[in-house]
Amino acid sequence: GAVVSQHPSWVICKSGTSVKIECRSLDFQATTMFWYRQFPKQSLMLMATSNEGSKATYEQGVEKDKFLINHASLTLSTLTVTSAHPEDSSFYICSARDLTGGRHYGYTFGSGTRLTVV
Amino acid sequence: SQQGEEDPQALSIQEGENATMNCSYKTSINNLQWYRQNSGRGLVHLILIRSNEREKHSGRLRVTLDTSKKSSSLLITASRAADTASYFCATGTYSGGGADGLTFGKGTHLIIQP
Repeated sequence: GAVVSQHPSWVICKSGTSVKIECRSLDFQATTMFWYRQFPKQSLMLMATSNEGSKATYEQGVEKDKFLINHASLTLSTLTVTSAHPEDSSFYICSARDLTGGRHYGYTFGSGTRLTVV
Repeated sequence: SQQGEEDPQALSIQEGENATMNCSYKTSINNLQWYRQNSGRGLVHLILIRSNEREKHSGRLRVTLDTSKKSSSLLITASRAADTASYFCATGTYSGGGADGLTFGKGTHLIIQP
C-alpha cells in the first residue's frame, strides 16, 4: 500500500530558529501533498496544499512567509517553520493521496512531527 | 467553519461491546472518511464512503452515510483493547482526478476497558 514517510518524528528547537520537516511518498508519486497541524487534544487543521512544481496553496489564517513549503519533486515536500516561537509548538502531519490507477482513494498520512519550541 | 463534528467526544466501553460514533458535517461532500489516531501518532485510514453510498463494511467496521441529514456513523463491533484511540471523520470535496485537503471533525476518544 501507499506509504508516506515523515521526518523527523520530533524536534526541539530554540525560539527564533527555523525547522524543516520532510514528507516523502515512498512507493508512489504525489503531485499534491497536504500539511496539517494538530494542537493537543484537538483535531487536525489543514494548513496548506503543496503542489509539485508550483506554489503551495495556504488556508486562511496560515502565514505563508512563516510556513514555507517546497515541493520540488514528485515524492518530496518540505515544510519549514521559520523563526519559530513557542506558540508554533504543535504536531505537524503531512499526507498524500496516491492517484495512480485509482487504486486507493483514502489519504495516506505520515507519522507526524512533534515540534517543541523553547 | 468546523466541518465534521463527532459525538460523543469521549466514549468508554467494556471490551467486547460495540462502539458507535457519529459525525455531522455542513457542506456538500464527495466522500466521507474515518481515521484512527493512536496517541501522538499519525492517522490510519479506516474506511471511505462515497456520497452515493449509504452503508459500507470493512471487517468489524460498519459505516453509514445519510446525505440528507449530513451525518455519518462508525460502528466498531466486538471492541478490543487495541481499538483504544481517537477516531476522526473527515470530509473530502474532490472530484475527478484532483485531490483536495480533508476537513476533519473534532474526534471521538474511544477507551476500551479490558
